[in-house]
Amino acid sequence: AQSVAQPEDQVNVAEGNPLTVKCTYSVSGNPYLFWYVQYPNRGLQFLLKYITGDNLVKGSYGFEAEFNKSQTSFHLKKPSALVSDSALYFCAVRDIARAKTNAGKSTFGDGTTLTVKP
Amino acid sequence: EAGVAQSPRYKIIEKRQSVAFWCNPISGHATLYWYQQILGQGPKLLIQFQNNGVVDDSQLPKDRFSAERLKGVDSTLKIQPAKLEDSAVYLCASSYTSGGAEAYEQYFGPGTRLTVT
Repeated sequence: AQSVAQPEDQVNVAEGNPLTVKCTYSVSGNPYLFWYVQYPNRGLQFLLKYITGDNLVKGSYGFEAEFNKSQTSFHLKKPSALVSDSALYFCAVRDIARAKTNAGKSTFGDGTTLTVKP
Repeated sequence: EAGVAQSPRYKIIEKRQSVAFWCNPISGHATLYWYQQILGQGPKLLIQFQNNGVVDDSQLPKDRFSAERLKGVDSTLKIQPAKLEDSAVYLCASSYTSGGAEAYEQYFGPGTRLTVT
């Protein structure tokens, strides 16, 4: 069974500082990996994804994530945090082998609340 | 491009009552998902459709939950009878499908917040 762990319930950073939101995953094969953001009273929004190729993936709003196969991690990063980045962030994984049959579902972590203070 | 539409946004019912949620996906998206998100947890897939066929309903409590997507476009999720533990946000999402490896991201609606008293 596939799973996702977001080890930190809460991450606090000062505006202008770099931020990292951690994610580790477990799948039987190779993964598709996603990051989503959820603002209050709104649905989840897609930020970025890793499918194949370059381990450093760039996404919306200046976010990027690094895929590390040996550590089974996909940490979300941003060089300089903004107060407006404060939100709930979810990591999700999908098994490539099952995705090819359209039978593989995405499994989400329990989320990390990011708070950026001015 | 219009996003995923859901209604109602909020619903309060008593236990043992029934409730239905509606979702209209993004035009052209063949795959539709219903998720349950309990406070403090990530979304949990209830059911996944491709067009009007069910791809995965392994986590759907079939004794009380049902869902349909009759014409392959909009979808309805029903709970009958509701229990206190069904209090959650119900999210609908859709994604593009190419017929190959499904690496496409999902687009989520705003959700329906259900409170069962």
